[in-house]
Amino acid sequence: AQSVAQPEDQVNVAEGNPLTVKCTYSVSGNPYLFWYVQYPNRGLQFLLKYITGDNLVKGSYGFEAEFNKSQTSFHLKKPSALVSDSALYFCAVRDYYGGATNKLIFGTGTLLAVQP
Amino acid sequence: DGGITQSPKYLFRKEGQNVTLSCEQNLNHDAMYWYRQDPGQGLRLIYYSQIVNDFQKGDIAEGYSVSREKKESFPLTVTSAQKNPTAFYLCASSATSGSRNEQFFGPGTRLTVL
Repeated sequence: AQSVAQPEDQVNVAEGNPLTVKCTYSVSGNPYLFWYVQYPNRGLQFLLKYITGDNLVKGSYGFEAEFNKSQTSFHLKKPSALVSDSALYFCAVRDYYGGATNKLIFGTGTLLAVQP
Repeated sequence: DGGITQSPKYLFRKEGQNVTLSCEQNLNHDAMYWYRQDPGQGLRLIYYSQIVNDFQKGDIAEGYSVSREKKESFPLTVTSAQKNPTAFYLCASSATSGSRNEQFFGPGTRLTVL
């Protein structure tokens, strides 16, 4: 079965420092991987995705993610964190066997707190 | 929140009542989805629809019902059979072909049972 895991409930980082939010996955076949961000009481916003091609994917708001097939990971990164990056981040993988072409399986989310 | 609207933003329900949450999209997407979000549990899929007049149960469909009579609309009814309906409900849509396969989300409806 397809699955995705976010091992950290919360990540704390000082403003200006690099940040990493971790995600690992388990799929049959080639993975389609996504990162979303959620601000309080709002819907999810799409950040970036990996389908194929370069292992380093660049997305919105200066975020990027590195696909590592051998480690089955898709960690979200940003070189310099901003206080405004503080939010809940979700990793997701496309479910190949649910019948819907783009049905997603979401991780439990990681709360990013950036201190001034 | 793109071209997806959800209403109302806040909804209060008495025990034993059915309530319907609205979701409308103008993105011309074939697929639509309903999720429930509880603290610490991420998003759980309730129902999804790939095409008009067709829908499938997700992981936690018990106590919920949906319809898909129009491409733009995918309302969710929370019935009295749902024992713990207090949660944040999110609607999403996506294409079913091509490279734009990410889901786009609405702003959500927070349902509270009194």
